[in-house]
Amino acid sequence: EPEVTQTPSHQVTQMGQEVILRCVPISNHLYFYWYRQILGQKVEFLVSFYNNEISEKSEIFDDQFSVERPDGSNFTLKIRSTKLEDSAMYFCASNPVNQPQHFGDGTRLSIL
Amino acid sequence: RKEVEQDPGPFNVPEGATVAFNCTYSNSASQSFFWYRQDCRKEPKLLMSVYSSGNEDGRFTAQLNRASQYISLLIRDSKLSDSATYLCVVPSQGAQKLVFGQGTRLTINP
Repeated sequence: EPEVTQTPSHQVTQMGQEVILRCVPISNHLYFYWYRQILGQKVEFLVSFYNNEISEKSEIFDDQFSVERPDGSNFTLKIRSTKLEDSAMYFCASNPVNQPQHFGDGTRLSIL
Repeated sequence: RKEVEQDPGPFNVPEGATVAFNCTYSNSASQSFFWYRQDCRKEPKLLMSVYSSGNEDGRFTAQLNRASQYISLLIRDSKLSDSATYLCVVPSQGAQKLVFGQGTRLTINP
């Protein structure tokens, strides 16, 4: 069964540094997402992406965040200047039209 | 009312028992609903989709009450492997984004 894959599984970064989280959505899916989950809290929506542009973003997704689909397979989340509070699990998800979202196994981001 | 609200538990039940969780949602226009399960430090995995009054898949039954705006999940003959956090998930109106409840933690005891 095809899966959403994410790399790296764990990223440790100094505060203020840039970080890029990578995702390969399922190949025939059209909608892509990033969510995050701070330890012990609920999963929160960050951004959705369709037809090569952002379709919706949350208040969390401020100017420090950006997404890109640089080629036909990768979908990346960049945080320009990381803060301690960015420490969380980051999940990528994708889905075809009118179907449920499938999640990758996440990247644990630790900001020191 | 919160967008999606669940009893956080924890629920501790013996193996073989039947357990039910409830979830309430605020958006009366929502048309689809999902239950995901999440194991510790893992990704959410789709368990069931609910588009009409309910859905049944083996030992799992989801029911939807639109008038009261709640969804329930029933697990019969629970197994040790059912131990997980169960997430009630509702798409935001007119959008693709999913709104998650805080999850209900379930532990099945031998």
